Amino acid sequence: EIVLTQSPGTLSLSPGERATLSCRASQSVSGSHLAWYQHKPGHAPRLLIYGASSRATGIPDRFSGSGSGTDFTLTISRLEPEDFAVYFCHQYGDSLPQSFGQGTKVEIK
Amino acid sequence: EVQLVESGGGLVQPGGSLRLSCSASGFTFSNYAMHWVRQAPGKRLEYISAISDNRGITYYADSVKGRFTVSRDNSNNTLFLQMSSLKNEDTALYYCVKGTTSTFWSGGGMDVWGQGTTVTVSS
Repeated sequence: EIVLTQSPGTLSLSPGERATLSCRASQSVSGSHLAWYQHKPGHAPRLLIYGASSRATGIPDRFSGSGSGTDFTLTISRLEPEDFAVYFCHQYGDSLPQSFGQGTKVEIK
Repeated sequence: EVQLVESGGGLVQPGGSLRLSCSASGFTFSNYAMHWVRQAPGKRLEYISAISDNRGITYYADSVKGRFTVSRDNSNNTLFLQMSSLKNEDTALYYCVKGTTSTFWSGGGMDVWGQGTTVTVSS
């Protein structure tokens, strides 16, 4: 099983600042099949990025993803008030089971 | 709009059974793989089961293999998870998730999630 490790655990930032979230895999994620989701309490997780760098439908361009192999990054260029949430990565490559990172909480400083 | 609504969660004693349902709308249900993901309190998300499109190929994580059964009713756009021999460690919020392709392997990801249904296993 591929283990995904996210860092940092918590990111304390102000609106307008840049957020950089990391997701590291214990082995290479085939095909860059890596997604990022946003999760707010009481809501369903929302797909932001798939294929490591493709934005899902309706996702603002302040969200961007990059990386390949074992190292992936989600960047939020300028935090809006609605962006404060938990973010988690997900690998869906050749290796079953699919797996998830433990999450990074982006909180208001 | 794609929507997934889970139901069937509740409180059950260890060793008991429960059947979760997921009602889907807004897309051609039979064309897509469907997934079950759970999150126990304080733990990360865990991928537990999946079923492919109308071929019905299934997958189970080791933690639930032999105890859980995933199925789908394509005529009624509904996904099921039959859970038996439940253990305390099965206590979690269970999510139904739509796949992005007809399969759950080799790049078969997920996009739309339901809000989840809570299963509590306790005596």
